[in-house]
Amino acid sequence: NAGVTQTPKFRVLKTGQSTTLLCAQDMNHEYMYWYRQDPGMGLRLIHYSVGEGTTAKGEVPDGYNVSRLKKQNFLLGLESAAPSQTSVYFCASSYRLSGVGAQPQHFGDGTRLSIL
Amino acid sequence: QQQVKQSPQSLIVQKGGISIINCAYENTAFDYFPWYQQFPGKGPALLIAIRPDVSEKKEGRFTISFNKSAKQFSLHIMDSQPGDSATYFCAASITGTASKLTFGTGTRLQVTL
Repeated sequence: NAGVTQTPKFRVLKTGQSTTLLCAQDMNHEYMYWYRQDPGMGLRLIHYSVGEGTTAKGEVPDGYNVSRLKKQNFLLGLESAAPSQTSVYFCASSYRLSGVGAQPQHFGDGTRLSIL
Repeated sequence: QQQVKQSPQSLIVQKGGISIINCAYENTAFDYFPWYQQFPGKGPALLIAIRPDVSEKKEGRFTISFNKSAKQFSLHIMDSQPGDSATYFCAASITGTASKLTFGTGTRLQVTL
């Protein structure tokens, strides 16, 4: 049982280049999330999805796009990378259980992205 | 606007001591308060969580204390061990919002021998 798998683990881009980060989960979770982690700022939600074919904006969505064509996959795209997007990106997923409150999120091990 | 404030930023505790990390929140609609533990190069992992219908939850050496009136909650690590050295994040969520989490800024804990 792999849980949440993120690829690649590392990526280096030049300013203006584009890239796509992949997240895959094998727990049949409905909800999936993308966060960025920066020193001293904790984790901030970029975009999230409540199910296949749906996406929604989080706290810091500008400069990012996402897609969830399959339930198990959640892709994060940067169309024109900027140095301010240098960060560690984490994907997470969780169950949707009606009537029982928020559920724990399960995280991948992150993608370290550097924009030169 | 930082909705969950965490302190201290870093903490050094001797082996066998008690580690205490505090968080305060502003939004009274929060009703789920997890703590995550993160080791270098890894993603955060759920450590323990509490809902506001109880004031304390204990799992092994880890205890969450929750004060609804003060809008504060804290993590206590008893008998701290070097293996507990990690970064700890508090978080909060609201039922019905797709389990979205608002995180604190993290506390780097170092347990010395």
